[in-house]
Amino acid sequence: AQSVSQHNHHVILSEAASLELGCNYSYGGTVNLFWYVQYPGQHLQLLLKYFSGDPLVKGIKGFEAEFIKSKFSFNLRKPSVQWSDTAEYFCAVGLTGGFKTIFGAGTRLFVKA
Amino acid sequence: EAGVVQSPRYKIIEKKQPVAFWCNPISGHNTLYWYLQNLGQGPELLIRYENEEAVDDSQLPKDRFSAERLKGVDSTLKIQPAELGDSAVYLCASSPQGAGANVLTFGAGSRLTVL
Repeated sequence: AQSVSQHNHHVILSEAASLELGCNYSYGGTVNLFWYVQYPGQHLQLLLKYFSGDPLVKGIKGFEAEFIKSKFSFNLRKPSVQWSDTAEYFCAVGLTGGFKTIFGAGTRLFVKA
Repeated sequence: EAGVVQSPRYKIIEKKQPVAFWCNPISGHNTLYWYLQNLGQGPELLIRYENEEAVDDSQLPKDRFSAERLKGVDSTLKIQPAELGDSAVYLCASSPQGAGANVLTFGAGSRLTVL
């Protein structure tokens, strides 16, 4: 069965620290890849997406993610986090053809000011 | 542009009572999703509609859950009767056809507490 695995459930960082959140998926077919973010008290919203082309994609607020097909991974990175990045981050895999999107369990990030 | 609108935002009911959630997707979005999100977990798909047709309802517990999307716009999700384990956030999302498919826009969610 298809699944999405996020490596960390909780991450605590100080401001200006670098961030990397791991995401691996299990599915042998073509996929679209996403990171969604949920800030406290707000809706889930799209952070960035990968459909094809350059495996390094840039999203809003300085976030980027790299698709490594051989590792079935789509890790999220940011060189220097801010207090306002405190949120829950969800990796998601869209299965093309069926338009089914599967989410990971989420990583809750807390950035200390 | 209005986003995905859901109501109610919060609902507290006693077990065995019925409950219904409503969703209005983004105008022009043909695909509508209902997701269930338990505490500490990611969203899990309950049902997906393409226009008014339910094309994926394999994860919907059909003994107590039902959904409809009349006229291919608004949708309702009903639970009858509710059980304690149904306490969760029910998320509605929509997406367009074509290149934007798979890119979900979520509503604020309906948080259900079953006592």
